[in-house]
Amino acid sequence: RKEVEQDPGPFNVPEGATVAFNCTYSNSASQSFFWYRQDCRKEPKLLMSVYSSGNEDGRFTAQLNRASQYISLLIRDSKLSDSATYLCVVNIRADSGAGSYQLTFGKGTKLSVIP
Amino acid sequence: NAGVTQTPKFQVLKTGQSMTLQCAQDMNHNSMYWYRQDPGMGLRLIYYSASEGTTDKGEVPNGYNVSRLNKREFSLRLESAAPSQTSVYFCASSQIPGSSYNEQFFGPGTRLTVL
Repeated sequence: RKEVEQDPGPFNVPEGATVAFNCTYSNSASQSFFWYRQDCRKEPKLLMSVYSSGNEDGRFTAQLNRASQYISLLIRDSKLSDSATYLCVVNIRADSGAGSYQLTFGKGTKLSVIP
Repeated sequence: NAGVTQTPKFQVLKTGQSMTLQCAQDMNHNSMYWYRQDPGMGLRLIYYSASEGTTDKGEVPNGYNVSRLNKREFSLRLESAAPSQTSVYFCASSQIPGSSYNEQFFGPGTRLTVL
């Protein structure tokens, strides 16, 4: 089983739509969780962290279910500028490196918002 | 602040040639990372340096070496390039090696083709 699995996509949605991305992770010792956004031919950038109680940032809502090892991202009122690939990312303590943590990335889900 | 910078942006090598990818950050971060990103594979960790003076292998270290030259700089060397190393290489940095809340900041990437 892959460590971090995401919906394969692509998601093609009209402007104004609500879209949800799902992600599951296999390592129950995972400490923290993130959604990164990656525009075409650009570097990944942090979109938001995901907290146990769920958190919201404007049109974006992230949810975490530790029991099911499941993370979600909801985007409301989609904009053309939301078109990108969304990466589910899990932070796991490394086996070595004196307490260092490593990020494990999902393969990403591509979103295209259509006029 | 420039953030994380990488050189070169593009490179074409012939099989067997060597080269060094350079990375520098001006955010006074402790940890630095090298990833490669291939279509359908997502981001995979090659090597990381939790703090100045230390380096550790990631998921796919074979064929690469790294040097943490100082706190700012972390280089990746391909001693004998192979076509399988054709990829986009991202350098990243983060503040606190022992923290589970470990936002990573990425450089713009180096697109490497090995013929």
